[in-house]
Amino acid sequence: IAGITQAPTSQILAAGRRMTLRCTQDMRHNAMYWYRQDLGLGLRLIHYSNTAGTTGKGEVPDGYSVSRANTDDFPLTLASAVPSQTSVYFCASRMDRANTGELFFGEGSRLTVL
Amino acid sequence: TQLLEQSPQFLSIQEGENLTVYCNSSSVFSSLQWYRQEPGEGPVLLVTVVTGGEVKKLKRLTFQFGDARKDSSLHITAAQPGDTGLYLCAGVAGNNRKLIWGLGTSLAVNP
Repeated sequence: IAGITQAPTSQILAAGRRMTLRCTQDMRHNAMYWYRQDLGLGLRLIHYSNTAGTTGKGEVPDGYSVSRANTDDFPLTLASAVPSQTSVYFCASRMDRANTGELFFGEGSRLTVL
Repeated sequence: TQLLEQSPQFLSIQEGENLTVYCNSSSVFSSLQWYRQEPGEGPVLLVTVVTGGEVKKLKRLTFQFGDARKDSSLHITAAQPGDTGLYLCAGVAGNNRKLIWGLGTSLAVNP
């Protein structure tokens, strides 16, 4: 069972470039999330999707966009990367939209913007 | 505003020692979860507590939810190097049932 697969594992990117982080889950979970994790700031929610076809803004959405065309995939796009977006990005999923069930995380994508 | 405070931030102990880490807030949570994150990986759920005063055990780990559902603790008995990692608490709060994360306690258990 793969769970959640993220790609790429790591990437170095020039400022101003466009980048898409991929996330795929095979658990048929309804809700999916993108977090960034930074030292001293912890996990911060970027965007979420409660079900296919819907998305919502989290705590730090600026500079990021997401789409949820189907249940399995939830890509995160940086339209024009800036150095402050250097971080480790985690995709997560949960069976239901209520914040009470177990969150399953991918292994993360480490992004460095120069 | 950081609603969930975890302490200590860092802890380095020898194998076999006992330890307790804390997750505190002034807010009431309808439920609280503890996750462990190992280097280079995503967090993995350890336990969910939902009832004030609830105690749950997972092998050598004991989790307690405060009576008022504002705080929680994780006690590890006879720590082992495999317990090394970042321990995160996350609570569901408010009418919008938002999930709030603590910053974590980084634990190193030395052989």
